[in-house]
Amino acid sequence: AQSVTQLDSQVPVFEEAPVELRCNYSSSVSVYLFWYVQYPNQGLQLLLKYLSGSTLVKGINGFEAEFNKSQTSFHLRKPSVHISDTAEYFCAVSAPSGSASKIIFGSGTRLSIRP
Amino acid sequence: GAVVSQHPSRVICKSGTSVKIECRSLDFQATTMFWYRQFPKQSLMLMATSNEGSKATYEQGVEKDKFLINHASLTLSTLTVTSAHPEDSSFYICSARPQGSRYEQYFGPGTRLTVT
Repeated sequence: AQSVTQLDSQVPVFEEAPVELRCNYSSSVSVYLFWYVQYPNQGLQLLLKYLSGSTLVKGINGFEAEFNKSQTSFHLRKPSVHISDTAEYFCAVSAPSGSASKIIFGSGTRLSIRP
Repeated sequence: GAVVSQHPSRVICKSGTSVKIECRSLDFQATTMFWYRQFPKQSLMLMATSNEGSKATYEQGVEKDKFLINHASLTLSTLTVTSAHPEDSSFYICSARPQGSRYEQYFGPGTRLTVT
């Protein structure tokens, strides 16, 4: 079974500062990794995903993440955040096992941007 | 892009009644749909996986008789909360996997259920 741990429940940063949201996963098989963003009272929007290939993945809104197999991590980064980035961010993992593969979510990190 | 809708977006019902939530994939066919539940300021917990034309697979601890899932077509799945109680109040989110995909999931906007 797969699991994912988000080490920080809340991350406050100042506007235009860089940010890193940490994510570690556990799996005995190869995995797909995702970062989703959730704005208040809304569903989830995919930021980026790692399926295979290049370990540095670029997503929407200037976010990127790096897959590190040896450290079983998939940290999300942005070099300069904006007020509009205030949201809940979820790291998620899925094992490629056909159409029934499930996405399991981490506990989430609340990113709050201070002006 | 792929769009998933949910209806209603908000619903308030009295304790003991049943409520149905619809999840539709608007511009693609979805063999598999997923239902999640999210408590305030918490993560999404997978409740069940539904496949078109077959019975849903429920996660451990989810009461299948209380949360009835029907996936009657490739674009529609429904979740019915039967005999709802205040503890069923939550944010319910569905997602849909396009036919032929192994990993993609597109999420609906969620339904806020309040049981009084």
